[in-house]
Amino acid sequence: GAVVSQHPSRVICKSGTSVKIECRSLDFQATTMFWYRQFPKKSLMLMATSNEGSKATYEQGVEKDKFLINHASLTLSTLTVTSAHPEDSSFYICSATITEAFFGQGTRLTVV
Amino acid sequence: AQTVTQSQPEMSVQEAETVTLSCTYDTSESDYYLFWYKQPPSRQMILVIRQEAYKQQNATENRFSVNFQKAAKSFSLKISDSQLGDAAMYFCAYRSARYGSEKLVFGKGTKLTVNP
Repeated sequence: GAVVSQHPSRVICKSGTSVKIECRSLDFQATTMFWYRQFPKKSLMLMATSNEGSKATYEQGVEKDKFLINHASLTLSTLTVTSAHPEDSSFYICSATITEAFFGQGTRLTVV
Repeated sequence: AQTVTQSQPEMSVQEAETVTLSCTYDTSESDYYLFWYKQPPSRQMILVIRQEAYKQQNATENRFSVNFQKAAKSFSLKISDSQLGDAAMYFCAYRSARYGSEKLVFGKGTKLTVNP
């Protein structure tokens, strides 16, 4: 089946710094990718829809200046958490859809 | 807006037994897709089964089957001959079939425990 690769799987960063998470579709082209955030023992919360060649569409309540999304090619979307704070610590997951959604492995972000 | 409700936060089943996870949804659309995803402790989301709303026949994948009741907007998952590896969080999800509407709407999940 289709593969979506997400990197890094774990990252620890200091407060105030920025961290970039990559999401790649390895064997198919994805004009649209999705970024989710998942709190412990909770469901996936859609943060934004990443559109190749255009601006991302953010869900209500998601700060677009804090969570920068760039979808520069048909196989790569990046999520940059800017000026990270401890409350940004979470599990972030990306997905891309063909007939069904394929998910990356997720990134555990810890801000210290 | 579409919503997905999973009313069972936790379920448990004995190994080799059968368990049914419930899911209801709300939509005004007539064409859509429904999914069950499994999230084991690794947190990798794995597709278990999918159902197209226009199909009356219930989807089946080996030990996993669904009971899709379109009029009742119900989409339950039955796991037969439960195995220890089935222990995970299970999420029910909805997706519109409209072109350009690929995002998934998830339920809150059901944590399944399989007892040996």
